[in-house]
Amino acid sequence: GAVVSQHPSRVICKSGTSVKIECRSLDFQATTMFWYRQFPKQSLMLMATSNEGSKATYEQGVEKDKFLINHASLTLSTLTVTSAHPEDSSFYICSALGPAGEEDTQYFGPGTRLTVL
Amino acid sequence: ELKVEQNPLFLSMQEGKNYTIYCNYSTTSDRLYWYRQDPGKSLESLFVLLSNGAVKQEGRLMASLDTKARLSTLHITAAVHDLSATYFCPTGQNNDMRFGAGTRLTVKP
Repeated sequence: GAVVSQHPSRVICKSGTSVKIECRSLDFQATTMFWYRQFPKQSLMLMATSNEGSKATYEQGVEKDKFLINHASLTLSTLTVTSAHPEDSSFYICSALGPAGEEDTQYFGPGTRLTVL
Repeated sequence: ELKVEQNPLFLSMQEGKNYTIYCNYSTTSDRLYWYRQDPGKSLESLFVLLSNGAVKQEGRLMASLDTKARLSTLHITAAVHDLSATYFCPTGQNNDMRFGAGTRLTVKP
């Protein structure tokens, strides 16, 4: 199956700093990627849909100025958490629609655990 | 708004036993997935169900979809410890997926 990577896998930062998380499709091109957030022992919440070459579509309640998404190429989407605060601490997971023939499947990255002190 | 409900939320079962996890959703969708998530890990794709009556099987797991009833089931046959994980059944339209709370499965020896 298709492989999606995320970097970093874990990050600890001070309150007020910005953190960038990368999501890459390693062996296929992904015009559409998704960003999710998962709090401990809870389900995944879709934050935004990232489309290559265009602006991301954010879900209701997600601040686009706080969570900046850039899908600059067919293999890379980035999520930047600006001016992070402790309440932003969470597990952030990206996914990408699969390659040709597997467009119906979302492949998930390994996740990034963000801790804001 | 699409809502996904899974039942049960917690399931503890003995090895060798059979059980079914249920996934109900509230509005029309064009696809349903089953994923498993191990603690601290991301999601692993199990099945993609695209049409009414779809049934897929892999090993001890079998998934089915009834779009008229807005119901999917994940049947576990002769459970083994390795199946212990949280199972999700996101569904939606055009890849706009919504997740339920998940079913946390524990298989005991």
